[in-house]
Amino acid sequence: AQKITQTQPGMFVQEKEAVTLDCTYDTSDQSYGLFWYKQPSSGEMIFLIYQGSYDEQNATEGRYSLNFQKARKSANLVISASQLGDSAMYFCAMMDRGVSYDKVIFGPGTSLSVIP
Amino acid sequence: DGGITQSPKYLFRKEGQNVTLSCEQNLNHDAMYWYRQDPGQGLRLIYYSQIVNDFQKGDIAEGYSVSREKKESFPLTVTSAQKNPTAFYLCASKGRENEQFFGPGTRLTVL
Repeated sequence: AQKITQTQPGMFVQEKEAVTLDCTYDTSDQSYGLFWYKQPSSGEMIFLIYQGSYDEQNATEGRYSLNFQKARKSANLVISASQLGDSAMYFCAMMDRGVSYDKVIFGPGTSLSVIP
Repeated sequence: DGGITQSPKYLFRKEGQNVTLSCEQNLNHDAMYWYRQDPGQGLRLIYYSQIVNDFQKGDIAEGYSVSREKKESFPLTVTSAQKNPTAFYLCASKGRENEQFFGPGTRLTVL
């Protein structure tokens, strides 16, 4: 069965420093997509970045980059130059191409706290 | 503005009552999803729909029902059969690049 693992329940980072949030996944599919979402205390889910399994380049979106290591089945999120507004829950997710439908599964999340 | 709306933001239900959570999108997306989130946990898939008049059970569909009569609308009914319905419910639709766009969520509390 497909599964997403995020082994860091909580992380702290100094403002302006970079931080890496870990994500490993398990799937037998060759075609899949990996996502990262941010959830502030307000509860809304904000899409950050996407990586397709066939993409050769690591995805980047502003201060966010995805360190995709396909052989290791890892898709770590790197946030550069952390800001106080980055304090939130972060979820790694995988799109599983099922028999007929596209299904997305989420990891348990990592709580990031940015320290001034 | 394009987006997903969910209503109400907060909902209180007495035990034994059915309640319906609204989800509307004007993004012209085909696929829509309902998730449940319990405190300190990730999202679990309740139901999903790829096209109008079609939907599939997710991982925790028991005690829930949905309909998809219009592309824009995907309401979720929490029935009295759901034993522990107090949670945060999120609706989403899937965009062209496969990312999911989420609504602001509904917090349901059973009294």
